[in-house]
Formats: sequence, C-alpha cells, structure tokens
Amino acid sequence: NAGVTQTPKFRILKIGQSMTLQCTQDMNHNYMYWYRQDPGMGLKLIYYSVGAGITDKGEVPNGYNVSRSTTEDFPLRLELAAPSQTSVYFCASSYGHGPNSPLHFGNGTRLTVT
Amino acid sequence: GQQVMQIPQYQHVQEGEDFTTYCNSSTTLSNIQWYKQRPGGHPVFLIQLVKSGEVKKQKRLTFQFGEAKKNSSLHITATQTTDVGTYFCAGEDSNYQLIWGAGTKLIIKP
Repeated sequence: NAGVTQTPKFRILKIGQSMTLQCTQDMNHNYMYWYRQDPGMGLKLIYYSVGAGITDKGEVPNGYNVSRSTTEDFPLRLELAAPSQTSVYFCASSYGHGPNSPLHFGNGTRLTVT
Repeated sequence: GQQVMQIPQYQHVQEGEDFTTYCNSSTTLSNIQWYKQRPGGHPVFLIQLVKSGEVKKQKRLTFQFGEAKKNSSLHITATQTTDVGTYFCAGEDSNYQLIWGAGTKLIIKP
C-alpha cells in the first residue's frame, strides 16, 4: 500500500518557468490537500479538494492552480515560477473531515526557484 | 482570522529531560490532532483528541485537551534521541477547517 505518492522529490526551476507537481493516493480518500512549508516554518494550505471535480482555495493560493479529475490524483500547477515559491510542497489526503480522519502526507517535493 | 498559537517555537533539552508544547486556539475546536515531523521528513499523525478534558497516553507521550476545547498540550517524559523533530498541533474548527500551529522543534543537546 503506497499511500500518498509525490513526484518529483526535488526540482530546480528558473524564474518564469512552469511545472506540475504530481500527487496520487491509493487509499480511496475523498479529501486531498496541498500545503507548502517554508524553512523552519509551519504548514500553509494552498488548495484542497473534497472530491473529484471539486476544488477550493486555501490560505495561500496565488500563483498556483489545481485540478481533481479523479479521486486518486490531485496535481498542483505553478504557471510562472517566482523565488517566493521556493519551498517544500506536501500533498496530503484524508477520508473526510472530523474525528477519525487524520491526514496522510506524501514525502514532499523540494522546489527551488532561482 | 482563527489562529492556533503554539509555543515554544524551540525547546532544547538534555536527553532524559521532559518536553512540553502548548497550543491555544482563539475559538472552540471540534477536535485537535497532533503530528510529528522528523528532520527532512513529512508530518506523521500521532493522535487526535475530541472530548473536553480528554487525556490520552502513548508510552512516554501524554496529550491533553482543555475543558473549553481551546487548548491542548503534548508532554514527553524522559526524552530520547528518537523524539527529535517538530511537533505540530492542528485544530479543526466548526467549518471543518484544520488550523495548524507553527510547530515546536525538539532539540536534544549533545
């Protein structure tokens, strides 16, 4: 059981380039999330989804886009990379919300924009 | 907006000493979850607390949820090197949104 899988693990982008961070889960979870974590800081929610075809903005959505065409996949798109987007990106999933629905995290993607 | 304040930001302890981190919410929470993130790793779920005044133990870790469901704490007795990492609390509000604390980094002094 792989859980939440993120690719790539590392990426260096030049300013203005674009890329897609991939996230897939095999737990049949309805909810999926994208967080960013800056060095030495906590987690900030970028976007989340409560099911296929439904996405919503989190705390820091500017500069990002998401889609959720299937239950399993929740890719995060950066269109015009900026140095401020240098961070570690974590994808997570949960069965639902409330008790007994903890988040399961992927291993993260470490992104550097120069 | 709603916040969960977590203190301290860092705690340096000698191996064998105790460690405590505290979370305080500006609003009443439905439940609170605790996660541990090892250096270079991803957050891993430890436990959730739901009931007012609830106390749960996992070996040397004791988790408490306040009577008003606005605060919580994690206490580790006799820290070991395997406890090193950052501990996060995450409270769920009435809109089912998870509000994360900034984390407390546990550092074992050499």
